Amino acid sequence: SQKIEQNSEALNIQEGKTATLTCNYTNYSPAYLQWYRQDPGRGPVFLLLIRENEKEKRKERLKVTFDTTLKQSLFHITASQPADSATYLCALRSNSGYALNFGKGTSLLVTP
Amino acid sequence: GAGVSQSPSNKVTEKGKDVELRCDPISGHTALYWYRQSLGQGLEFLIYFQGNSAPDKSGLPSDRFSAERTGGSVSTLTIQRTQQEDSAVYLCASSLMAEKLFFGSGTQLSVL
Repeated sequence: SQKIEQNSEALNIQEGKTATLTCNYTNYSPAYLQWYRQDPGRGPVFLLLIRENEKEKRKERLKVTFDTTLKQSLFHITASQPADSATYLCALRSNSGYALNFGKGTSLLVTP
Repeated sequence: GAGVSQSPSNKVTEKGKDVELRCDPISGHTALYWYRQSLGQGLEFLIYFQGNSAPDKSGLPSDRFSAERTGGSVSTLTIQRTQQEDSAVYLCASSLMAEKLFFGSGTQLSVL
């Protein structure tokens, strides 16, 4: 069966450090992978999309890597700020249809 | 409005009653998704609409759940004979090319 795995343990880091979140997947043949941010009581917000032929993508303080051999994506937030505290979700499109499947997310807490 | 609008924001119902949840997608978005998120859990895909194509209903958990999208715009998710395990946040999302999804704030459904 198709699986998307994200670290279920919350990640606590100090302001100014780099946060690195991991997304591993099995039984997907993704053309692209997406990352979203979700704050409590809100719907997820799209952050970045990286395609299978892209190794790395950057947007401001965010960097995403995508290794289709390892079946893994890494999501980095540099110079982290308390406002970056949220749950981060990765998402992949199902092989068999149009569903966009999400991991359960990793909670990030950035402390001053 | 500029974003995806869902109503009601909260719904409390008694076990066995039917409920209807509404989603107004972003104007011009051809793709529309429904997801369910239980407390502390990930997003569970329910159904996907794309233009005039037949919807992908592969995520609907039982025949008590149904959804329609009228005129390629507004969508209604109906849950018949609600059960306590249906209690969750129901999220709607729309997109232009079934890639970057824009989510509403969700409907919190509580079945007593």
